[in-house]
Amino acid sequence: QKEVEQDPGPLSVPEGAIVSLNCTYSNSAFQYFMWYRQYSRKGPELLMYTYSSGNKEDGRFTAQVDKSSKYISLFIRDSQPSDSATYLCAMSLALQGGSEKLVFGKGTKLTVNP
Amino acid sequence: EAGVTQFPSHSVIEKGQTVTLRCDPISGHDNLYWYRRVMGKEIKFLLHFVKESKQDESGMPNNRFLAERTGGTYSTLKVQPAELEDSGVYFCASSAQTGALQYFGAGTRLSVL
Repeated sequence: QKEVEQDPGPLSVPEGAIVSLNCTYSNSAFQYFMWYRQYSRKGPELLMYTYSSGNKEDGRFTAQVDKSSKYISLFIRDSQPSDSATYLCAMSLALQGGSEKLVFGKGTKLTVNP
Repeated sequence: EAGVTQFPSHSVIEKGQTVTLRCDPISGHDNLYWYRRVMGKEIKFLLHFVKESKQDESGMPNNRFLAERTGGTYSTLKVQPAELEDSGVYFCASSAQTGALQYFGAGTRLSVL
């Protein structure tokens, strides 16, 4: 079983739609939870992050974490064509010796059609 | 302020050749990470530097990969000799401290023919 599961899509929606992106995870040791957005041929860009269960809102974006269910979500309201990108969930994991790493989902490719 | 920069953006080499990738972290970031994404797979951790010291290299695939960070500034990742399965996108990320948010570069796309 992969540590982080993410439906790769692709997901296609009309402009203005509400988009829901989800990841599940199996490792209870994950410490914080992030969503990155990646445009084609670019690097992952940090979009949202949260440390605890609950919701965090930033403009049209809401990140939700449910640690009891090991489930995280990203909601995009009033989606725009400029939101078309691949969305990656990522979770931090402490390693021995004080190090840490991010564990990523495969990413969901989103297209918002005008 | 400049972000994480990586050179080259794309490298095409033949099997058996050597390639060196470079990463310049955000100024002042002591932590530097290398990740890799091979086709069809998720981005995976390779190793973590704090300043010039390797904190963890548990993700390095084999001894054909050598990462350095002399002086604690930029880092290089050398693949020698390259194999077909090394093709993918190599990302570098940096953070101000361990446990802080990681910021990624645009990546180096490596194609081994």
